[in-house]
Amino acid sequence: DQQVKQNSPSLSVQEGRISILNCDYTNSMFDYFLWYKKYPAEGPTFLISISSIKDKNEDGRFTVFLNKSAKHLSLHIVPSQPGDSAVYFCAASEVYGAGSYQLTFGKGTKLSVIP
Amino acid sequence: DGGITQSPKYLFRKEGQNVTLSCEQNLNHDAMYWYRQDPGQGLRLIYYSQIVNDFQKGDIAEGYSVSREKKESFPLTVTSAQKNPTAFYLCASSRTGVGDDEQYFGPGTRLTVT
Repeated sequence: DQQVKQNSPSLSVQEGRISILNCDYTNSMFDYFLWYKKYPAEGPTFLISISSIKDKNEDGRFTVFLNKSAKHLSLHIVPSQPGDSAVYFCAASEVYGAGSYQLTFGKGTKLSVIP
Repeated sequence: DGGITQSPKYLFRKEGQNVTLSCEQNLNHDAMYWYRQDPGQGLRLIYYSQIVNDFQKGDIAEGYSVSREKKESFPLTVTSAQKNPTAFYLCASSRTGVGDDEQYFGPGTRLTVT
């Protein structure tokens, strides 16, 4: 059973417009959420994160919103640029046993920004 | 330059052979992780290690083995017992395995078994 879901496998957006990538989770024990960006044949790179005590975190063109009651988070990219075209993974973590954190990833959303 | 290296980028093996994927980091991170990615799938955790000489199974450890004899190295062996070994393998590390530390990923190794 998937605990982190990205229901849109792909998204196309015009350059300069807003990209909104969505992520839903089912495990109420998750308390830290991250977004990773991945280009083909490369490892993911960390983009932005949010703790469950916040509902918004902003870093330049990237903003992550967290709605704990809905178990939903979203990544907003404004304005979108062609270089943003990549696969975006949502990830969540909870504390296990002796305090170790493991990440659970969604399946990813492929964003294409059209010039 | 600090970072995580994985070699080789592409690896081909015959069915029935064990193969070891290398992962090295010079970030002085305590924790290291191995994931595999299949087409249309998210990353799934194979093994992780919070500290030298210690490692734990992840969600899909069957058919894999690891060692953590040195802080900077976390090799993954794909054994012949792994039923579907062809995949993209990603190694990651984080400063600690405790707390809200981001994981930093290597470039990955694409393994093809025929």
